[in-house]
Amino acid sequence: DTGVSQDPRHKITKRGQNVTFRCDPISEHNRLYWYRQTLGQGPEFLTYFQNEAQLEKSRLLSDRFSAERPKGSFSTLEIQRTEQGDSAMYLCASSLTGGPQETQYFGPGTRLLVL
Amino acid sequence: GDSVTQMEGPVTLSEEAFLTINCTYTATGYPSLFWYVQYPGEGLQLLLKATKADDKGSNKGFEATYRKETTSFHLEKGSVQVSDSAVYFCALSSGGSNYKLTFGKGTLLTVNP
Repeated sequence: DTGVSQDPRHKITKRGQNVTFRCDPISEHNRLYWYRQTLGQGPEFLTYFQNEAQLEKSRLLSDRFSAERPKGSFSTLEIQRTEQGDSAMYLCASSLTGGPQETQYFGPGTRLLVL
Repeated sequence: GDSVTQMEGPVTLSEEAFLTINCTYTATGYPSLFWYVQYPGEGLQLLLKATKADDKGSNKGFEATYRKETTSFHLEKGSVQVSDSAVYFCALSSGGSNYKLTFGKGTLLTVNP
């Protein structure tokens, strides 16, 4: 069990550019979540996958955001035409259906800075 | 909708002091309750959890009891250490179909030697 990993750990980009983040969940975890955390706030739910199906998206997830989980393994989160307001920590978590009360295990996050 | 309100920080204590971080919640149904901790430069780690009323979660000397009547899940530790310095987040999951977590804003704890 190597834990949840995320790549990159840090990303600096210019406004208007596209960025893509990757999350590798704990192997055999079928649920995968994306959250966003801004300075001084708790994480906020963005979207959720069960296997390869994206089952829920928050209203926070504008049309510029898209997430995929091909083959139900790793996931990517893409932000198109980034804005300064997108600057945040993007967290990924995974869990196992029927596991210990569905405990979510978090990755270290990707910190995005949009200039 | 679901929400979590936790004690505003920062909280500064001396080593071996008693810690309480208050957390109250609003949720539909019967949520599961969690405390997560974020040490400097690290990701969120589950500290403890409770899944039904009157359950007590405990780990590393920390405890929290699920109080349905007061909709609370206060975090306590009898004697804090410098190594406990971190940000603590209270969270709930209403279950249903997605088990997404709703977090409080976090409380920064600093423990001085």
